[in-house]
Amino acid sequence: KAGVTQTPRYLIKTRGQQVTLSCSPISGHRSVSWYQQTPGQGLQFLFEYFSETQRNKGNFPGRFSGRQFSNSRSEMNVSTLELGDSALYLCASSLAGGELGEQYFGPGTRLTVT
Amino acid sequence: GQQVMQIPQYQHVQEGEDFTTYCNSSTTLSNIQWYKQRPGGHPVFLIQLVKSGEVKKQKRLTFQFGEAKKNSSLHITATQTTDVGTYFCAGQIIQGAQKLVFGQGTRLTINP
Repeated sequence: KAGVTQTPRYLIKTRGQQVTLSCSPISGHRSVSWYQQTPGQGLQFLFEYFSETQRNKGNFPGRFSGRQFSNSRSEMNVSTLELGDSALYLCASSLAGGELGEQYFGPGTRLTVT
Repeated sequence: GQQVMQIPQYQHVQEGEDFTTYCNSSTTLSNIQWYKQRPGGHPVFLIQLVKSGEVKKQKRLTFQFGEAKKNSSLHITATQTTDVGTYFCAGQIIQGAQKLVFGQGTRLTINP
């Protein structure tokens, strides 16, 4: 099976712009979670989607949003970018019914905000 | 908020020495997972522990889940250069939750 794919892999944006990141989960996986990874804060949970519904959300401002499509692909959007949004954004998929099981991470999108 | 604390933040060892990283939660965990992230890579799942007092082994790696399900440890015996990376624990705070709370990670470097 192909692994989790994320596009783009690298992105440079300026403050105030918005950005959309894409994640394609492993075939058959219906749960997609998004994480922000920074050297200072580690891995921070953004949100999780299952069957096109957001099931859980982390403590991030409303500028961070996401959605999931019927084919389980997911997108994450960040509006009005700030310098502090520079990070590696990882998505992870899992089979997940109830509790989250093993997470399969994608390679990430490295976002730099200047 | 709900936190999972992991120590140490960094560990440098000589090849062949043992290594241990510890995870502590302020609340009881439903289960805990461990991941390894190689430099420049993404986290890769190692194992999940569910039962109180559970111990699991993978070759030179030993994982433990505390009796109170609030702490966990990963011990590597006789480290090798391939063990280099950052090890993360991730806990599910609430049963049935679809959210993992990650520890800060322990970065392991090894002197060959």
